[in-house]
Amino acid sequence: AQKVTQAQTEISVVEKEDVTLDCVYETRDTTYYLFWYKQPPSGELVFLIRRNSFDEQNEISGRYSWNFQKSTSSFNFTITASQVVDSAVYFCALRATNAGKSTFGDGTTLTVKP
Amino acid sequence: EAQVTQNPRYLITVTGKKLTVTCSQNMNHEYMSWYRQDPGLGLRQIYYSMNVEVTDKGDVPEGYKVSRKEKRNFPLILESPSPNQTSLYFCASSPWGTDTQYFGPGTRLTVL
Repeated sequence: AQKVTQAQTEISVVEKEDVTLDCVYETRDTTYYLFWYKQPPSGELVFLIRRNSFDEQNEISGRYSWNFQKSTSSFNFTITASQVVDSAVYFCALRATNAGKSTFGDGTTLTVKP
Repeated sequence: EAQVTQNPRYLITVTGKKLTVTCSQNMNHEYMSWYRQDPGLGLRQIYYSMNVEVTDKGDVPEGYKVSRKEKRNFPLILESPSPNQTSLYFCASSPWGTDTQYFGPGTRLTVL
């Protein structure tokens, strides 16, 4: 069985603050993929990043960065200098290799106030 | 344009009246899946299909049926809908089982 935990249900910050969204996962598979998706108020699901279990390098994309630590089974997401447009629900997800099952966390609602 | 389409986008129905939500993708993806999203529960997988004629249960399959007769289509069937199936439904597809999933726009279903 696999599980994804996003312990932070809601986070509220003021614009330009940095914010980190936590994601902890459980899986028995040695090879797996982790994802982050964004769901803005309009409702669509937007892909942000995909990372495989063999690649523990951190990744930065503009104001977004991701910290993958296999030792603690965590895949955290940081937004630097947050903006109002970052307000959304963010989901962390796990897919095991060669398996069809896909597990999402419950999501973290981020509100960025001007 | 590469996309996943779902129809209808909104549906209000009554308990017990069979309905089908269609899902179609034009990216020649092998993998397709259905999810439901409920407040505070994230996305939960209902069924998935690794290829034509191959389907399998996700975490919450009760009350749903699916079929995959052709690669591009993956309809979700509710034979006897009940109020606890009121939810936001997403269809997704990906080239393979571990690839990034592309999601449809969602179908908001209300069962009275």
